[in-house]
Amino acid sequence: AQTVTQSQPEMSVQEAETVTLSCTYDTSESNYYLFWYKQPPSRQMILVIRQEAYKQQNATENRFSVNFQKAAKSFSLKISDSQLGDTAMYFCAFADRDDKIIFGKGTRLHILP
Amino acid sequence: DGGITQSPKYLFRKEGQNVTLSCEQNLNHDAMYWYRQDPGQGLRLIYYSQIVNDFQKGDIAEGYSVSREKKESFPLTVTSAQKNPTAFYLCASSPRGVSYEQYFGPGTRLTVT
Repeated sequence: AQTVTQSQPEMSVQEAETVTLSCTYDTSESNYYLFWYKQPPSRQMILVIRQEAYKQQNATENRFSVNFQKAAKSFSLKISDSQLGDTAMYFCAFADRDDKIIFGKGTRLHILP
Repeated sequence: DGGITQSPKYLFRKEGQNVTLSCEQNLNHDAMYWYRQDPGQGLRLIYYSQIVNDFQKGDIAEGYSVSREKKESFPLTVTSAQKNPTAFYLCASSPRGVSYEQYFGPGTRLTVT
């Protein structure tokens, strides 16, 4: 069965710093999709970034980028120039052939002023 | 304005009562999902539906039931058989296919006493 592991339950960084959230996953599939979702204090889930496994180029969305290491089954999220509004729970997620997504347990990120 | 609505935002019930959580989407998405979120547990899939009149159990379906009579609607009933129903419930939808992101509703906080 596929699993998604986020090894950092909670992190804190100063505003404007760069922070990296870790995610590893386990699968025997070769084609799949990876996601990072953000859940701010409002609890509204928002997609941050998506990566297709067959694409070697790392996805980037403004200040958010990923480091996708397929062989290592690693999918970390880097947030550059962190802002107070980045304070949230961040969930790594994985999807393959089935129409369902498996989520990690999340990393609670605090951006400190 | 397209999106997913869940109502109510907060719901209180007495133990032993069944309760139905509403989820409606006007995004014309084929697939819909119900998740349960508990502290430290991430999102766990309860049920999902890829087309009208069809649905599948997720990882924690026991004590829950769903219906999918219309494309726009996917209500979740929390039955009295659910041993620990107090939780935050999230509904999501997506176009069919795992490459697509899921769009989430604002959630319903259910408290059973």
